[in-house]
Amino acid sequence: DTAVSQTPKYLVTQMGNDKSIKCEQNLGHDTMYWYKQDSKKFLKIMFSYNNKELIINETVPNRFSPKSPDKAHLNLHINSLELGDSAVYFCASSERSESAGNTIYFGEGSWLTVV
Amino acid sequence: SQQGEEDPQALSIQEGENATMNCSYKTSINNLQWYRQNSGRGLVHLILIRSNEREKHSGRLRVTLDTSKKSSSLLITASRAADTASYFCATDQAGTALIFGKGTTLSVSS
Repeated sequence: DTAVSQTPKYLVTQMGNDKSIKCEQNLGHDTMYWYKQDSKKFLKIMFSYNNKELIINETVPNRFSPKSPDKAHLNLHINSLELGDSAVYFCASSERSESAGNTIYFGEGSWLTVV
Repeated sequence: SQQGEEDPQALSIQEGENATMNCSYKTSINNLQWYRQNSGRGLVHLILIRSNEREKHSGRLRVTLDTSKKSSSLLITASRAADTASYFCATDQAGTALIFGKGTTLSVSS
């Protein structure tokens, strides 16, 4: 019954590899997000999609590519992983765009460690 | 760009005491939200206060908002060990995603 689920929860990989994190929400929300939380717990928006369309793309390296096959799914693919990519990546969703002030529902996070 | 700044960064109290966390922000907002994050878990929404509201309550939580000072506070009354977590404020501005502060780590000992 998890509202926002993301897999895998833990991922350890070598530099230079390509990896994907999958996310699905069963809340019927139109908007989905990817946030990155660093080791100091600073949480930063990476991408936002509304009905499969990209609406926010913060300054993120081109190696990060989100894909939304439908409004319930937002996957994150990362090419040529670097040490600095090690972080916790959170998928989230909300009912409308954030300007409407809706609550964001977060997944449990994916712990990525690049070695 | 970072918007909210929580203060203090860390807070340690005894069970039964009240915990107060503050958040300051820089630009005009539509609303301000508080989230909680238990260790190793995702963030959970606690409460939202709109820019035209000054105070809001939810159970043991009390949130205030002072738009003239661009600040908000979260008060947790009668703290319990289970309240141990990190607490984040997040500001909602038009046309952008929620912007989170760095959080306050609360430790409640029994």
